[in-house]
Amino acid sequence: EVQLVESGGGVVRPGESLRLSCAVSGFTFEDYGMRWVRQAPGKGLEWVSGINWNGLSRGYADSVKGRFIISRDNAKNSLHLQMNSLRGEDTAFYYCARGWNYDSSGPLDSWGQGTLVTVSS
Amino acid sequence: EIVLTQSPATLSLSPGERATLSCRASQIISSNYLAWYQQRPGQTPRLLIYGASSRATGIPDRFSGSGSGADFTLTISRLEPEDFAVYYCQQYGTSWDTFGPGTKVDVK
Repeated sequence: EVQLVESGGGVVRPGESLRLSCAVSGFTFEDYGMRWVRQAPGKGLEWVSGINWNGLSRGYADSVKGRFIISRDNAKNSLHLQMNSLRGEDTAFYYCARGWNYDSSGPLDSWGQGTLVTVSS
Repeated sequence: EIVLTQSPATLSLSPGERATLSCRASQIISSNYLAWYQQRPGQTPRLLIYGASSRATGIPDRFSGSGSGADFTLTISRLEPEDFAVYYCQQYGTSWDTFGPGTKVDVK
C-alpha cells in the first residue's frame, strides 16, 4: 500500500524557517517524481514545488521561489521542503504527493494527509 | 504560467442529475495534459481524469473528461451522494503544474 506521511508542520513567526518532511513507503521511491501542494484552510489547491526522480529537475511556484527548497533522499525514501522567510500567506496544509511517473510534472496519484503550517506573530 | 479558470464556482444539483464542469486555460495546453481531481470534505484530493479524458484506476465510468486545446469539461453522468464535493482541474503541459480554483458541487 502506498503511504506518504508528512511531518514538521507547526506554528512559526513571520520571517522564521521550517522544514517539512515526507516519509514514503509501499513503492519504489526513486522511480517517481514528487510534489508539494498546499491548501490554505477553506481554500483551493496550490502547487508549491516539484522534483523529478533523481532531484536534478526542480521547480517552484512564483509565490515561493527563492524562499523554499525542495529536496529528496532516495536512500531514505524521504522528501523535504525547506521553507525560509515564512509569511502569513504561507499558512496552509502542506501535502506531499506522488507524481504518476519519474518526472517533476504530471498528475498526482497518491497524497499524504498533510501537515499544517501556521505563520503568525 | 498557464492560468486555469473553472466555472461555475458552485453547481447546485440533485442526486441523479448530470453535472457539467468547465476548465479553461489562458493558453493552449500541450498534449491535452489536463487532469481532474475530486476533494470530498475532510479528505485529500483524488485523481479522477488525466490526459483530459482517461479515467484513473478505480474511477467509475459515470465520470468522463473531454476537451482539447484550452477548453476542457468534466461530466458526471448521474450524481451519486458521494459525488458532492469540490473538483479541481490541473494542467501539467508546461514545466510546472498549476491548479484551477475549483468548482463545488453541492446538493440543491
